[in-house]
Amino acid sequence: DSGVTQTPKHLITATGQRVTLRCSPRSGDLSVYWYQQSLDQGLQFLIQYYNGEERAKGNILERFSAQQFPDLHSELNLSSLELGDSALYFCASSTQAGGAGELFFGEGSRLTVL
Amino acid sequence: AQSVTQPDIHITVSEGASLELRCNYSYGATPYLFWYVQSPGQGLQLLLKYFSGDTLVQGIKGFEAEFKRSQSSFNLRKPSVHWSDAAEYFCAVGGSGATNKLIFGTGTLLAVQP
Repeated sequence: DSGVTQTPKHLITATGQRVTLRCSPRSGDLSVYWYQQSLDQGLQFLIQYYNGEERAKGNILERFSAQQFPDLHSELNLSSLELGDSALYFCASSTQAGGAGELFFGEGSRLTVL
Repeated sequence: AQSVTQPDIHITVSEGASLELRCNYSYGATPYLFWYVQSPGQGLQLLLKYFSGDTLVQGIKGFEAEFKRSQSSFNLRKPSVHWSDAAEYFCAVGGSGATNKLIFGTGTLLAVQP
């Protein structure tokens, strides 16, 4: 158990809909990362937050947004969903924002868009 | 730009045989290098990491990896594979800048024959 909690574990929805994925980092970790894992793209970095502020941005679509709240949990919002958004979304956390540091991953939220 | 290449998509070894999974990276400065393992339906677990110092690093579950700067490689090895090692293995690179986000390779799926 990494200490990173993601909900829901599974989610099935229709095209055009909006969903929210939630992540609770390990106790004491200030940095949260979101990754998308799909068969054709592999593990893609989406976005990083540190202590409530955006720190780094990757290949995140405009239809996607994220935020980190004062209690340090994070949410990833996916809107106008398309079939291609079906993937496993991972959250990770770490103590630091930069420099050397290990990322601890949750078990992921599997999104299926029908 | 940072990138990681794992040239072997799928590898099959016999139980008890030795294993080497290849990883090549591209990074402009001194990289931080990681190997993660993902079992079916699970999140990513850190096997080992290289930040500096001894280029041969030991990890959990009997794995080790060697950093070779001249070859831009960080290959993962295990002298004797167990059936429980069947999983997908990801190499990742991170840096020492303002963000410690990781860039992952496409993964190598390991199958173990009895």
